[in-house]
Amino acid sequence: DAGVIQSPRHEVTEMGQEVTLRCKPISGHNSLFWYRQTMMRGLELLIYFNNNVPIDDSGMPEDRFSAKMPNASFSTLKIQPSEPRDSAVYFCASSFPSGRAGELFFGEGSRLTVL
Amino acid sequence: SQQGEEDPQALSIQEGENATMNCSYKTSINNLQWYRQNSGRGLVHLILIRSNEREKHSGRLRVTLDTSKKSSSLLITASRAADTASYFCATDAPGGGNKLTFGTGTQLKVEL
Repeated sequence: DAGVIQSPRHEVTEMGQEVTLRCKPISGHNSLFWYRQTMMRGLELLIYFNNNVPIDDSGMPEDRFSAKMPNASFSTLKIQPSEPRDSAVYFCASSFPSGRAGELFFGEGSRLTVL
Repeated sequence: SQQGEEDPQALSIQEGENATMNCSYKTSINNLQWYRQNSGRGLVHLILIRSNEREKHSGRLRVTLDTSKKSSSLLITASRAADTASYFCATDAPGGGNKLTFGTGTQLKVEL
């Protein structure tokens, strides 16, 4: 199994530019999570999906952030326009749905730097 | 916030020694999990303990859970240099679906 695949691994962009991060979850996993990791705030859950449907987006910082899951094998997290404070490592994770939280499988992350 | 707090924030030990990390959380939970993160990598699941369990073992790992104190500990026995990583606890709350909230993490350094 290839695991959770994220792209790009590194992105450097200028303030105001649009950023799109991509995630392919593990085949057969029905839940997908987007987390953001910074030194100051640690790991924060931004949004999660069950069966391609957004369940909880209360962690999305503001309207500049949006996430989609058009099908079971692909999700995007978009930031438009980007700001320096968005600089962080963004992780995608997937799991089997179980009603209760089970084991999460994380991708290697996308390190975003906004200049 | 449900976010857990790990203690200590950083721990440095010699190879062969045991490492103990603690996690405290604020509200009731369904289960508690521990994850490991090597520098520059994603998190990897280590072990899950349910709210009705008090202790669990997996290889060199031993996890305890005290729901009355809202705390958990992770013990790594006979540590190795390869255990150097950050360790995080994560909890899910009843009614919270399958959403996990992560703690602040303990950075463990195992020196040769």
